[in-house]
Amino acid sequence: GNSVTQMEGPVTLSEEAFLTINCTYTATGYPSLFWYVQYPGEGLQLLLKATKADDKGSNKGFEATYRKETTSFHLEKGSVQVSDSAVYFCALNSGGSNYKLTFGKGTLLTVNP
Amino acid sequence: DVKVTQSSRYLVKRTGEKVFLECVQDMDHENMFWYRQDPGLGLRLIYFSYDVKMKEKGDIPEGYSVSREKKERFSLILESASTNQTSMYLCASRTAGGQGISQPQHFGDGTRLSIL
Repeated sequence: GNSVTQMEGPVTLSEEAFLTINCTYTATGYPSLFWYVQYPGEGLQLLLKATKADDKGSNKGFEATYRKETTSFHLEKGSVQVSDSAVYFCALNSGGSNYKLTFGKGTLLTVNP
Repeated sequence: DVKVTQSSRYLVKRTGEKVFLECVQDMDHENMFWYRQDPGLGLRLIYFSYDVKMKEKGDIPEGYSVSREKKERFSLILESASTNQTSMYLCASRTAGGQGISQPQHFGDGTRLSIL
């Protein structure tokens, strides 16, 4: 079956530090890959997506590249801000009968001033 | 922008009560989903619906049922609430059109349900 593994948190960084959150996946076929962000007390928001190999998704300074050869979709940001503090979820959709998302367990990021 | 609205942000109920969680989306999406989110367990799919009156069980349907009588509304029902159903519940919707699996799900803000 499908699975998503993302790095355990929590991750604590200082403002302006470089961020990487690792995500690897197992899936049949050619999945679409997503990063969602959940700010405290809120639901999940789509951060970025990539739908085929070598695609790069980007939004709000975050980037992730769909690497089929390593089955990875690592999230990166060059300079984090306090406002980026949130939980980040990697997810995939490989189709099938219900188009359900398979999520990683989430990574809590705390950015200190 | 897609708007998914969950009727309550916080809800407190008692063991054995029948509980209704409501979700409404404004984008004419065919697919709707109910998840629960628990620390250390991530998001788990309870039920989803392809379209009006269509539903399928997700990974953890026990103790829950759903109703989708209108396209914009998807209700989650706890038939007889128990303390182990205390959780954050998230509703989501997506279009079934376009490029299939590339369509993201759009989430509501969640309902934090406590069963006493």
